Amino acid sequence: ETGVTQTPRHLVMGMTNKKSLKCEQHLGHNAMYWYKQSAKKPLELMFVYNFKEQTENNSVPSRFSPECPNSSHLFLHLHTLQPEDSALYLCASSQGPRDQETQYFGPGTRLLVL
Amino acid sequence: KQEVTQIPAALSVPEGENLVLNCSFTDSAIYNLQWFRQDPGKGLTSLLLIQSSQREQTSGRLNASLDKSSGRSTLYIAASQPGDSATYLCGLKAAGNKLTFGGGTRVLVKP
Repeated sequence: ETGVTQTPRHLVMGMTNKKSLKCEQHLGHNAMYWYKQSAKKPLELMFVYNFKEQTENNSVPSRFSPECPNSSHLFLHLHTLQPEDSALYLCASSQGPRDQETQYFGPGTRLLVL
Repeated sequence: KQEVTQIPAALSVPEGENLVLNCSFTDSAIYNLQWFRQDPGKGLTSLLLIQSSQREQTSGRLNASLDKSSGRSTLYIAASQPGDSATYLCGLKAAGNKLTFGGGTRVLVKP
């Protein structure tokens, strides 16, 4: 257990559905991240939040909409996704001076878009 | 733009042999480098973090080195065990709180 939980662990959705992924960290960290891990591609950073403010959007399509209501919770709202969006979505959190930051990852949500 | 490469992509060794995993990167302006382990279908577990000012870090059977001038990091795992079988990823943190990952090395340790 890393102190970062994600729900649901598995999700199957159609292209017209709307769903949300949830991440919660119990570590008192101030930064939270969404990553996408597709088969045969390196892990890709999607969004970064520091103290609830979005500080990084790595050119992510608007069909992915993040929300960070407080420093402990992070959501990823999904709508009108494409089959190529099927992947493992990982949440992470971190705290501390930049060069000493260790990122702690959740177990991920395995998403399949039909 | 930072590019991170991990070679080999896959590695199979007999139990007891030492493992050497390589990570190369193109931009040396980094804050730190982390080595992670990922078991199938699961999240990442941090193994070692090397700050930009450091040359190596050790934890038990694991040792990681960092050479910014050549753009390389190496993870050594001594006396490998079947439980070491996993995918190992390196991630580099640079400005803007961004962590850039390599493609990973999939390791199989055969009993």
